[in-house]
Amino acid sequence: DAGITQSPRHKVTETGTPVTLRCHQTENHRYMYWYRQDPGHGLRLIHYSYGVKDTDKGEVSDGYSVSRSKTEDFLLTLESATSSQTSVYFCAIGGLAGSYEQYFGPGTRLTVT
Amino acid sequence: AQTVTQSQPEMSVQEAETVTLSCTYDTSESDYYLFWYKQPPSRQMILVIRQEAYKQQNATENRFSVNFQKAAKSFSLKISDSQLGDAAMYFCAYEDNFNKFYFGSGTKLNVKP
Repeated sequence: DAGITQSPRHKVTETGTPVTLRCHQTENHRYMYWYRQDPGHGLRLIHYSYGVKDTDKGEVSDGYSVSRSKTEDFLLTLESATSSQTSVYFCAIGGLAGSYEQYFGPGTRLTVT
Repeated sequence: AQTVTQSQPEMSVQEAETVTLSCTYDTSESDYYLFWYKQPPSRQMILVIRQEAYKQQNATENRFSVNFQKAAKSFSLKISDSQLGDAAMYFCAYEDNFNKFYFGSGTKLNVKP
């Protein structure tokens, strides 16, 4: 299994508070991704990174920001959490050279009350 | 942006029988990658099979095979000799030329003993 961890695994927070989720990889891979998973929507891309300090928006980026200061860490921040951001968040890294598939972390369940 | 459509929210199959899950996508690209992922109740995303668009030969992985129809933009997954452990959510995914991934909304597969 690819070495991808997410922290925290579960979090409950209040509306209006900032929240940061962390994704850590030990594979030294260039590409990292943040998704949210909601019933009926599958996985939707929030932001992704193609290198240190290089990031781009996905299809549901409003209300989220990211940072990547080291190859191994990709942070997702909810600047002011809202109830609509209650979801399961997955981090993924791009496939190893030549394989192209993604490997996923275990997910973080976030509840905004 | 690309779109991926899974028109079957839920399907059932008898153990040892064969089932086919449908996926269609919309793209103007000629080279891309397609994937099927399995998500059991543990929530872990597991790669089932992948297909390179430039390859005409359909991919196979043991009991899993795909029917890739590039002109029709169709990518269905066939599971032969279904097993109880195949019960899960299945997601079709598309990777574009910018290493961005797009997922369908998923098909829940039930396997009846």
